Amino acid sequence: KQEVTQIPAALSVPEGENLVLNCSFTDSAIYNLQWFRQDPGKGLTSLLLIQSSQREQTSGRLNASLDKSSGRSTLYIAASQPGDSATYLCAVDTDSWGKLQFGAGTQVVVTP
Amino acid sequence: GAGVSQTPSNKVTEKGKYVELRCDPISGHTALYWYRQSLGQGPEFLIYFQGTGAADDSGLPNDRFFAVRPEGSVSTLKIQRTERGDSAVYLCASSLTGGDYEQYFGPGTRLTVT
Repeated sequence: KQEVTQIPAALSVPEGENLVLNCSFTDSAIYNLQWFRQDPGKGLTSLLLIQSSQREQTSGRLNASLDKSSGRSTLYIAASQPGDSATYLCAVDTDSWGKLQFGAGTQVVVTP
Repeated sequence: GAGVSQTPSNKVTEKGKYVELRCDPISGHTALYWYRQSLGQGPEFLIYFQGTGAADDSGLPNDRFFAVRPEGSVSTLKIQRTERGDSAVYLCASSLTGGDYEQYFGPGTRLTVT
């Protein structure tokens, strides 16, 4: 059974510091991995989708890597800003049609 | 363009009552998903539609939960004989065709069963 873990559960950094968020999964047979952002009381916003054949994806200040064999993904956010404060969730698709299994998320606070 | 919308945004109901939660996906998206999120947890898959058919309903917790998508667009999640343990945020997402396409989430319906 696939299990998705995100450590740490919470993280606080000063503005300008780079953020490193970790996601691990127990079954390497995934089709893709997605990173989402969730603001309090809101739905999820997709940040990056990495297909199983890819090693990384980049969008602006965000970069996500994927190592399927070791069951790990890392989301890097460069030069953090207070507006980056949110909960970040990773999710894996193990059924090829989008049935996502989520981690519990990492709550990030960026202090001015 | 318009994103995924969900109504109502909040629903308070008494134990034992019936509720319906509505999801309007992005126009043209054939794949639609329902998830449930409890406080401090990531969303948990409930059901997936491809077009009008429920392709996978393995996440529905029991037979009190049912969902439909009769015309391949709007979907309704129906919960009978609600229990306090059903209290959660119910999220709907849609994607172009499923698979390797990003999922776009609605703001969710917060269900509270008293």
